[in-house]
Amino acid sequence: KNEVEQSPQNLTAQEGEFITINCSYSVGISALHWLQQHPGGGIVSLFMLSSGKKKHGRLIATINIQEKHSSLHITASHPRDSAVYICAESGGGADGLTFGKGTHLIIQP
Amino acid sequence: DAMVIQNPRYQVTQFGKPVTLSCSQTLNHNVMYWYQQKSSQAPKLLFHYYDKDFNNEADTPDNFQSRRPNTSFCFLDIRSPGLGDAAMYLCATSRGTETQYFGPGTRLLVL
Repeated sequence: KNEVEQSPQNLTAQEGEFITINCSYSVGISALHWLQQHPGGGIVSLFMLSSGKKKHGRLIATINIQEKHSSLHITASHPRDSAVYICAESGGGADGLTFGKGTHLIIQP
Repeated sequence: DAMVIQNPRYQVTQFGKPVTLSCSQTLNHNVMYWYQQKSSQAPKLLFHYYDKDFNNEADTPDNFQSRRPNTSFCFLDIRSPGLGDAAMYLCATSRGTETQYFGPGTRLLVL
């Protein structure tokens, strides 16, 4: 089974800083997902990507298939970005996600 | 506007007393998933339905079962809840291999 590793586990930054969260996985994947979870449980899918780069507002996700590595970047971070960011992989088909342990991000005003 | 709905949001049950959690969706997605998330841990897939086909994860305890009577609804049954089953239970849906949409979760407390 694929192992999904995230770093850092915890990250505190000041408002406006550029944020990078990293994710690596051990075997080939069908797609890599970045999700956001706020306190109280709700999970929102941010990106699903299998190659290259995707951008949505201030969020950018990249993936390097050869290196089995993905990054999530947040530009001009804001306190409302504070949440747990989770990397997950789908190995193939619609078999469900294998999740990393998440990165707890706090953006201080 | 809700797309994936879970009921109840909070469920308290007694040790050994069967409990059923509900998930419904308005997206007409053909795949529905149940994940278990224990405190400070990553969500873990319990099982999923691809259309009517049930797919159980190898390490999902027998105590956990699921029903999907139609496209819109899926239920998680815990036959004899133990203290270790206290967790957040997340339902998600997708159209095939596309992006998953998550419900708000049901937090289960076992007394």
